[in-house]
Amino acid sequence: GESVGLHLPTLSVQEGDNSIINCAYSNSASDYFIWYKQESGKGPQFIIDIRSNMDKRQGQRVTVLLNKTVKHLSLQIAATQPGDSAVYFCAENPGAYKYIFGTGTRLKVLA
Amino acid sequence: KAGVTQTPRYLIKTRGQQVTLSCSPISGHRSVSWYQQTPGQGLQFLFEYFSETQRNKGNFPGRFSGRQFSNSRSEMNVSTLELGDSALYLCASSLGSSGTEQFFGPGTRLTVL
Repeated sequence: GESVGLHLPTLSVQEGDNSIINCAYSNSASDYFIWYKQESGKGPQFIIDIRSNMDKRQGQRVTVLLNKTVKHLSLQIAATQPGDSAVYFCAENPGAYKYIFGTGTRLKVLA
Repeated sequence: KAGVTQTPRYLIKTRGQQVTLSCSPISGHRSVSWYQQTPGQGLQFLFEYFSETQRNKGNFPGRFSGRQFSNSRSEMNVSTLELGDSALYLCASSLGSSGTEQFFGPGTRLTVL
């Protein structure tokens, strides 16, 4: 069935280092992708998006890479800070006005 | 601009009861989607509304229903509550075109006893 999965459920990173969170998606028809950050007790917060006609998009300290050949997304966070500690989700939009979410990766930033 | 708001934030119900949750989207957003979030299943799509019409529905039983009003506010209802319905219910709004940014509210934490 449809699914979006993550390779690493928990990622621990030293403060100041770069973080890379990966995501595999299964629906080749998906043409839009979003990364979300969810802190404890809050709803998911939009971080960055990318369309299928792009392979890279940069934001403030974040970069999303899309490899359509292998149906893989990654989120890179530069100079990871304690405030980046959260659960990160990727979501794919295969059309039909719905999003499919991955199970999430917990990012822990070590001081 | 105010974000997505959801009420109530917390709710405790007993099995067999029903519950109604409310969501007010970002001003100008006409699409509202609902999701159920649990530790075991993650974020699961419930349904999406646009201009008072349900455009898509996830794989949930008929006990889960929703509606949208002319001002784009949305409600979802769960009847005959079961223990397994305990979850964080999240509402997200967007402009409505496929492939547009979707923004979430803080969620309603439902506990079924």
